[in-house]
Amino acid sequence: GAVVSQHPSWVICKSGTSVKIECRSLDFQATTMFWYRQFPKQSLMLMATSNEGSKATYEQGVEKDKFLINHASLTLSTLTVTSAHPEDSSFYICSARDLRGTADNYGYTFGSGTRLTVV
Amino acid sequence: QQPVQSPQAVILREGEDAVINCSSSKALYSVHWYRQKHGEAPVFLMILLKGGEQKGHEKISASFNEKKQQSSLYLTASQLSYSGTYFCGTAVNNDMRFGAGTRLTVKP
Repeated sequence: GAVVSQHPSWVICKSGTSVKIECRSLDFQATTMFWYRQFPKQSLMLMATSNEGSKATYEQGVEKDKFLINHASLTLSTLTVTSAHPEDSSFYICSARDLRGTADNYGYTFGSGTRLTVV
Repeated sequence: QQPVQSPQAVILREGEDAVINCSSSKALYSVHWYRQKHGEAPVFLMILLKGGEQKGHEKISASFNEKKQQSSLYLTASQLSYSGTYFCGTAVNNDMRFGAGTRLTVKP
């Protein structure tokens, strides 16, 4: 089945620094990847859609300059949290969709998530 | 717009059944169901693509009522491993949006 790898699993950084999170589709190509943020006991909130070779599409209320997304290849998307602050602490998860096979398998595959703590 | 899930939480004894509902105010073209264990990423359970479709794997099944813009997830004879948060999701322009989740706890 489709595998999405996300790194790092967790990161602790100082306020004001930047953090980069990588998301890779290991056995399929993903022209589109998705970035979510999840606060404790809450749902996954879509932050942005990452498009290979073009600009990301951000959800309303998500700061483009703060959450930089780069989708440089068909298997890699990165999310950089710039000038991180404690309120950015959250669980960040990427996902992608493997469109090979039948439509019954067109679920979204998620990376293992990155727990960001800003101190 | 996010779909609406109910109930918010369910506590069951092993072997009991549960139903989780998902509805949308907008037309639904497909419904996804995922389960997330604490501290882990969501795992895809199934997708329903057509109105009237019913699908299942082992003792977890789902139905999709396109006209009512609803889907339901059925967990039969629940096992301890079924514990987790269940999310329904709808894809709008390929963007997956999730309901608030239903926290399911199965006790021995």
